Amino acid sequence: EAGVTQSPTHLIKTRGQQATLRCSPISGHTSVYWYQQALGLGLQFLLWYDEGEERNRGNFPPRFSGRQFPNYSSELNVNALELEDSALYLCASSPLWGGETQYFGPGTRLLVL
Amino acid sequence: GENVEQHPSTLSVQEGDSAVIKCTYSDSASNYFPWYKQELGKRPQLIIDIRSNVGEKKDQRIAVTLNKTAKHFSLHITETQPEDSAVYFCAAPEPSNNNDMRFGAGTRLTVKP
Repeated sequence: EAGVTQSPTHLIKTRGQQATLRCSPISGHTSVYWYQQALGLGLQFLLWYDEGEERNRGNFPPRFSGRQFPNYSSELNVNALELEDSALYLCASSPLWGGETQYFGPGTRLLVL
Repeated sequence: GENVEQHPSTLSVQEGDSAVIKCTYSDSASNYFPWYKQELGKRPQLIIDIRSNVGEKKDQRIAVTLNKTAKHFSLHITETQPEDSAVYFCAAPEPSNNNDMRFGAGTRLTVKP
């Protein structure tokens, strides 16, 4: 069984640009979660999608947005990039609606210069 | 909403000693408590989980205990080895919010050879 995949593995942008990160969940999983992990710190919850709908949103500004496609893959968009957006962005998928094990992807490391 | 607190933030033990990490949660309706291990540069991976209908679960050198009355659960690692060095995260669902998982801030465990 293939795990959660993310692309790209690394992304370098400059301030003010936009970044698009992609995630493919494990086959059969309908929930996709996005987290931001700054260097050496914890997992900050960004967004949760299930069945194409945004179910919950963390305490991040509106320039962080995303969507989930009919095949359950997901995209995270970050507009007007700021230096402090530099972090590892982790995607996770889960087979059920909330409250179950999340399986993480390898992450996309975003560097904003 | 659910508030998950994790202690300690850092833990250093000698190889062969035991390590204990504790998490407290606030929502008494929470019913699923996973623990994740994140090695340096890698994704978080589930190492053990427990549901609210049991008080303890063990898998070789790792165990998790749950005290529903006190609303805390703990990860126990016995006979620690250098490869146990990693960041460990606990999590608990927020039943009032579609069971969205809430992660603790993480514990950086260092096992000295």
